[in-house]
Amino acid sequence: AQSVTQLGSHVSVSEGALVLLRCNYSSSVPPYLFWYVQYPNQGLQLLLKYTSAATLVKGINGFEAEFKKSETSFHLTKPSAHMSDAAEYFCAVSEKGSSASKIIFGSGTRLSIRP
Amino acid sequence: GAGVSQSPSNKVTEKGKDVELRCDPISGHTALYWYRQSLGQGLEFLIYFQGNSAPDKSGLPSDRFSAERTGGSVSTLTIQRTQQEDSAVYLCASSSGREAFFGQGTRLTVV
Repeated sequence: AQSVTQLGSHVSVSEGALVLLRCNYSSSVPPYLFWYVQYPNQGLQLLLKYTSAATLVKGINGFEAEFKKSETSFHLTKPSAHMSDAAEYFCAVSEKGSSASKIIFGSGTRLSIRP
Repeated sequence: GAGVSQSPSNKVTEKGKDVELRCDPISGHTALYWYRQSLGQGLEFLIYFQGNSAPDKSGLPSDRFSAERTGGSVSTLTIQRTQQEDSAVYLCASSSGREAFFGQGTRLTVV
């Protein structure tokens, strides 16, 4: 069975500082991995996804994530935080190669940016 | 349509009334999800439909909650005898097998 764990329900960084949001997954088969972002009073939108070859995935708004199989991790990073990055971030996993695989979401990490 | 559409966007109902929330998924998407998000909380999985398979109802919080998906497309989430703790944003998502695409949600307020 798949699962995903997001370490830290709330992360606070200063504007201009590195953003690091942690995600670890469990899957018995090669996974698809996703990060979603939810801005205040909005729905969820896809930030980036890992589906195959490239282990370093670049997304919108300067975010990127690296798939590390040995660590079963898919941490989200951004070199320099901006005030507009304040949002809720969700990591998710599903099974590669199976159209019937349910997407499992983590519990979310709320990112706050200090001026 | 271009995206996942949910209606109504807002619903205020009296305690004890039944409500129906509607989700129109992206055309051709075989998978459909319902989630609940209470104020300041994460995503609470409710139910998952995949093609013609029996739905995964493992997240429904009580027998007051039910959902159906007609013709493999539109889905309706029904909450009977609503309670104040049912107040939340109800999100629908659809998928063709990779990422999920979310609607904007229905904000339900039970007074």
